[in-house]
Amino acid sequence: GQNIDQPTEMTATEGAIVQINCTYQTSGFNGLFWYQQHAGEAPTFLSYNVLDGLEEKGRFSSFLSRSKGYSYLLLKELQMKDSASYLCAVRDSNYQLIWGAGTKLIIKP
Amino acid sequence: IAGITQAPTSQILAAGRRMTLRCTQDMRHNAMYWYRQDLGLGLRLIHYSNTAGTTGKGEVPDGYSVSRANTDDFPLTLASAVPSQTSVYFCASSDSLAGADTQYFGPGTRLTVL
Repeated sequence: GQNIDQPTEMTATEGAIVQINCTYQTSGFNGLFWYQQHAGEAPTFLSYNVLDGLEEKGRFSSFLSRSKGYSYLLLKELQMKDSASYLCAVRDSNYQLIWGAGTKLIIKP
Repeated sequence: IAGITQAPTSQILAAGRRMTLRCTQDMRHNAMYWYRQDLGLGLRLIHYSNTAGTTGKGEVPDGYSVSRANTDDFPLTLASAVPSQTSVYFCASSDSLAGADTQYFGPGTRLTVL
């Protein structure tokens, strides 16, 4: 079966750095996405990786290792507004997105 | 530009009733999707449409139907609602299935079936 694993919840301090991991087992791979979802709102796109390596976008970076079935999202200089759920999704061989359950990130002052 | 709109925002429905959730996008995207999101689970695909006039089944299609008469609209119908269909429903769209095309989500419909 297809599976996306990410931690249920993480806590970090304002101004710090946090890394949210995602491991996947899917039928085929056509890219990995990270989305941010604030409570009660819709998911919004953060990043896309299809080749191995690090993609940097401001305070957010995303890393992919296809051989290990592994990705992480790195958030730097955490702000209170970063409190949200972070969703990892993999596009499989049918070009459908398979979604993880999300990681709820709690930022403390 | 509104992006994607969904209606209603929320609804309480008696079991056995028929309900249509509406979704409209103004981005001229080819592909559209319906997901449900339940606590502790990832988004699960109900139905999708690659282009106007075509639809396909996702991971959890039973009890739901869709139509895609034109590019902009993608309604989701529950023929006879059951309590297990209580969920938050998100409609999404993307320009195509491949490449770095991201899916853009509507604000969601919170549905409670009693």
